[in-house]
Amino acid sequence: DTAVSQTPKYLVTQMGNDKSIKCEQNLGHDTMYWYKQDSKKFLKIMFSYNNKELIINETVPNRFSPKSPDKAHLNLHINSLELGDSAVYFCASSQNSGNGYTFGSGTRLTVV
Amino acid sequence: GQQLNQSPQSMFIQEGEDVSMNCTSSSIFNTWLWYKQEPGEGPVLLIALYKAGELTSNGRLTAQFGITRKDSFLNISASIPSDVGIYFCAGQATGANSKLTFGKGITLSVRP
Repeated sequence: DTAVSQTPKYLVTQMGNDKSIKCEQNLGHDTMYWYKQDSKKFLKIMFSYNNKELIINETVPNRFSPKSPDKAHLNLHINSLELGDSAVYFCASSQNSGNGYTFGSGTRLTVV
Repeated sequence: GQQLNQSPQSMFIQEGEDVSMNCTSSSIFNTWLWYKQEPGEGPVLLIALYKAGELTSNGRLTAQFGITRKDSFLNISASIPSDVGIYFCAGQATGANSKLTFGKGITLSVRP
């Protein structure tokens, strides 16, 4: 069983479209995250949810909206996609602060 | 904001050699973590350090939490071709809502 699973693995879409990326973790962790990795491989946190409650919201355009229906799921919805949104998006989860995160295998988003 | 410095951006070594990577911070962290990312995958936790001065090993990998709590290093001994990948350091302060801040990563290449 995959601990943190993201779908889809690859997503190619046109500018202006709306798309969603789904994430599920079966580790029983309380906290989930979305990270963006740019072309230079820099990992930057976008959002963090603890038990369905938003606790970290970095400076991210409001076109990005996370949704956590339960503590095992954290989905990312992106409206009006732009070329600059092209990146790899990673979902992660952790049990307690300071115990390290478990990452999914990423979703490569390409906006054309 | 918190920043972690990792350099150089790339390292090239011969199979069998040892390699050391350093990570420094402008802020104090209470947890230091080292991750490895392989192509098409998410970062995977290698070693977690929770106490200043702590030295921890995981097979051929050894990492230390600096006494000042502003730095950490990772050593890989007797490198093998499968050690190739991007090595990220990450630091976390205390607090339930503290985020994990990543360095920019070092891409390691191992020549057979």
